[in-house]
Amino acid sequence: SYELTQPPSVSVSPGQTASITCSGDKLGDKYACWYQQKPGQSPVLVIYQDKKRPSGIPERFSGSNSGNTATLTISGTQSMDEADYYCQAWDNNVVGFGGGTKLTVL
Amino acid sequence: EVQLLESGGGLVQPGGSLRLSCAASGFTFSSYAMSWVRQAPGKGLQWVSVSYSGTTTTYFADSVKGRFIISRDPSKNTLFLQMNNLRAEDTALYYCVREEASRAFDIWGQGTKVTVSS
Repeated sequence: SYELTQPPSVSVSPGQTASITCSGDKLGDKYACWYQQKPGQSPVLVIYQDKKRPSGIPERFSGSNSGNTATLTISGTQSMDEADYYCQAWDNNVVGFGGGTKLTVL
Repeated sequence: EVQLLESGGGLVQPGGSLRLSCAASGFTFSSYAMSWVRQAPGKGLQWVSVSYSGTTTTYFADSVKGRFIISRDPSKNTLFLQMNNLRAEDTALYYCVREEASRAFDIWGQGTKVTVSS
């Protein structure tokens, strides 16, 4: 299995920038994706191929990936962004997910 | 509308079997790789298995290898997960997910709940 490590929690004030990291062996050589999951809902893809946004995802969501770390950045964070975020990557035909980061907007 | 609808979950005793189904609609099912991803209560996401389109190629997480079988019926636009020798640690919400060209999971079902308990 491919292990990815995320901080369990991140806090941010409304309007500020939130950064969530994801670490894995040579992660920068793979494509990283990010998912948002709100309570009681299925996950939603917010970033794919390191930095691309699917249709309908606000521009305040951005991503980067280099070395062993991928980062999800939310600029001008809003209360509606409070959720769990998971990173994901493929490695040799198996998928690794990070343990998830709870983003609190307060 | 692109949609994935899972079914087949339920309560099963340890050592038992269960077959999950995922009915796909709104897209050309046979053109996409499809995976199962599970989430234990209060826990994170865990990938289970993938079925590649146009081939019989499949892969599994180590935790389910040898116990789970993934398959698809293109004529019914349906993905299956046959789960055998179930353990308590298999208890989870099982999601059916579509894998798009860049290998991201772009469409998720609502999930079907599996509980393994005596």
